[in-house]
Amino acid sequence: GEDVEQSLFLSVREGDSSVINCTYTDSSSTYLYWYKQEPGAGLQLLTYIFSNMDMKQDQRLTVLLNKKDKHLSLRIADTQTGDSAIYFCAEVNNDMRFGAGTRLTVKP
Amino acid sequence: DGGITQSPKYLFRKEGQNVTLSCEQNLNHDAMYWYRQDPGQGLRLIYYSQIVNDFQKGDIAEGYSVSREKKESFPLTVTSAQKNPTAFYLCASSDPGTPGPFFGPGTRLTVL
Repeated sequence: GEDVEQSLFLSVREGDSSVINCTYTDSSSTYLYWYKQEPGAGLQLLTYIFSNMDMKQDQRLTVLLNKKDKHLSLRIADTQTGDSAIYFCAEVNNDMRFGAGTRLTVKP
Repeated sequence: DGGITQSPKYLFRKEGQNVTLSCEQNLNHDAMYWYRQDPGQGLRLIYYSQIVNDFQKGDIAEGYSVSREKKESFPLTVTSAQKNPTAFYLCASSDPGTPGPFFGPGTRLTVL
């Protein structure tokens, strides 16, 4: 199975907050990433967090890291229809492991 | 503009034919990667290269081959030995100490 786990689907209404969750297994991971993939496109690096941080905020995006539980989350404030995409969580140690991706659907 | 390019965007081939996917980067990154993406699944690592003239197998290297003769180029050949080659292929590059990797736009390969 996947080393990095995410729920497959999330649906929210425009203007609400979205929270996408991820669990990982390698406690020695140095970086944890969130990527966004729009239909038919490559992956866009959205944000990342160092393993020695608990939180990182970047405009509408907030990343929370709980190292004890190996849990990573991405919160998108004021979600817009343009945020509809697949979001991938990834951990990096000596190599890089991706989750299966969470498909976010934003309803008007 | 710095970035990663993959060509072609769409590729159709007959079963039994080898096909080569192009990946070029002008970011001066040392490391390059090839991933395969199937519907509803995450990315699986095919091959990666940390430096010119060196590369390692990833999780699903069987039926694929690569070369790294130049820093900026990392072509992937999908051989006839690959049992189920139809997929979306993503190339990426990275540098130690900087966040990443960064991905190209992908090539969708369909084997008829």
